[in-house]
Amino acid sequence: DVKVTQSSRYLVKRTGEKVFLECVQDMDHENMFWYRQDPGLGLRLIYFSYDVKMKEKGDIPEGYSVSREKKERFSLILESASTNQTSMYLCASSLAVTEAFFGQGTRLTVV
Amino acid sequence: AQKITQTQPGMFVQEKEAVTLDCTYDTSDQSYGLFWYKQPSSGEMIFLIYQGSYDEQNATEGRYSLNFQKARKSANLVISASQLGDSAMYFCAMREDYGGATNKLIFGTGTLLAVQP
Repeated sequence: DVKVTQSSRYLVKRTGEKVFLECVQDMDHENMFWYRQDPGLGLRLIYFSYDVKMKEKGDIPEGYSVSREKKERFSLILESASTNQTSMYLCASSLAVTEAFFGQGTRLTVV
Repeated sequence: AQKITQTQPGMFVQEKEAVTLDCTYDTSDQSYGLFWYKQPSSGEMIFLIYQGSYDEQNATEGRYSLNFQKARKSANLVISASQLGDSAMYFCAMREDYGGATNKLIFGTGTLLAVQP
């Protein structure tokens, strides 16, 4: 079974902190994605990556950056967390043309 | 620009009846894929069904079928014989194929389905 693991289920951070959300997949997938999910807004794509060290901006990249140093790991970085980044964050991975598999999500609260 | 639209924020259906969840999409690409996911209250994202843009036949998976109308750019999900366990949020998604190198996957805003006994 494909497994996508996010490092934390729940996270509480202070405004201005640098926050790292980690995602690891075990199926050698080329593509990895970071989304945030907010009520009424669905899943919005923040960044995605199609290979090691390669990244593309999604629809809402402002305030975020990403890192993909190894194929299996895709990190989302909030350089200076703000309260409007309080959200559920979902990581996913896929092969080129298959469905995406999701992690369990990280509920981030910025206070 | 690539876009997915789900116009039904919420829907009710009686148990054992069929229900259609609407999804329209916008893309200028010829090669793309369409997906439906289910998200129950537990929060996990469950893949349901896939339709490729070049597939001639509508996709089916058990009680799920995808009504693909390419000219109308619609990809509606049909759930037959609804069950209480079908109560969940449903998301439509689209992947654009950039020659195998880059695959952007975007989602709609979702439809919350409630199945009533």
